[in-house]
Amino acid sequence: DIQMTQSPSSLSASVGDRVTLTCRASQSSSNHVNWYQQKPGKAPDLLIYAAYHLQSGVPSRFSGSGSGTDFTLSISSLEPEDFATYYCQQSHDVPYTFGQGTKVEI
Amino acid sequence: QVQLHESGPGLVKPSETLSLTCSVSGYSITRGYYWDWIRQSPGRGLEWIGRIYHRGTTSYNPAFQSRVTISVDTSKNQFSLKKTSVTAADTAVYYCARSPRETGIFEYWGQGMLVTVSS
Repeated sequence: DIQMTQSPSSLSASVGDRVTLTCRASQSSSNHVNWYQQKPGKAPDLLIYAAYHLQSGVPSRFSGSGSGTDFTLSISSLEPEDFATYYCQQSHDVPYTFGQGTKVEI
Repeated sequence: QVQLHESGPGLVKPSETLSLTCSVSGYSITRGYYWDWIRQSPGRGLEWIGRIYHRGTTSYNPAFQSRVTISVDTSKNQFSLKKTSVTAADTAVYYCARSPRETGIFEYWGQGMLVTVSS
């Protein structure tokens, strides 16, 4: 199985900050990495697919990059509603696997 | 607007079978896409369990394969998950989701259902 490792596990930031979350795959996943946002008690929401494609309806302050084994999710200017947990997931190979998450806290 | 909704018992006894159904509205399962089950627990995080295509083709996570069955009922626009011989480690929030083709991109999710395994 491809293991996905996210860093940091949590970070503290303020409204307006730029933040960058990282995700490393244990083997090459090409560009087949997706990012999700999850708020407490809710299902994950798809933000970015195939490394850098913005899902419809997602604000443009979110962006993704990377290929191979190293990927990043950036939020250009944090809004209050962005405080949540973010997960990366590889869809390169079955079984699909997720990272352990990065919690973005105020 | 595609909506998915999980239903089933919220409490299952150890060694018994967990059974969940995902009802899909706003989209006909027979039009395509793949229909997935994913679970989340504090100890194991998010885990992909498996998926089914409307024609019945399935793919499972090997970690679950021997005890999991995913099936589809196109007449009810539903798909289901059964997991036999559950243990406390199967206590989790179970989600159903939709992914386009075999991409493994989960674009729509149900709200999730907590299933507790306890006597």
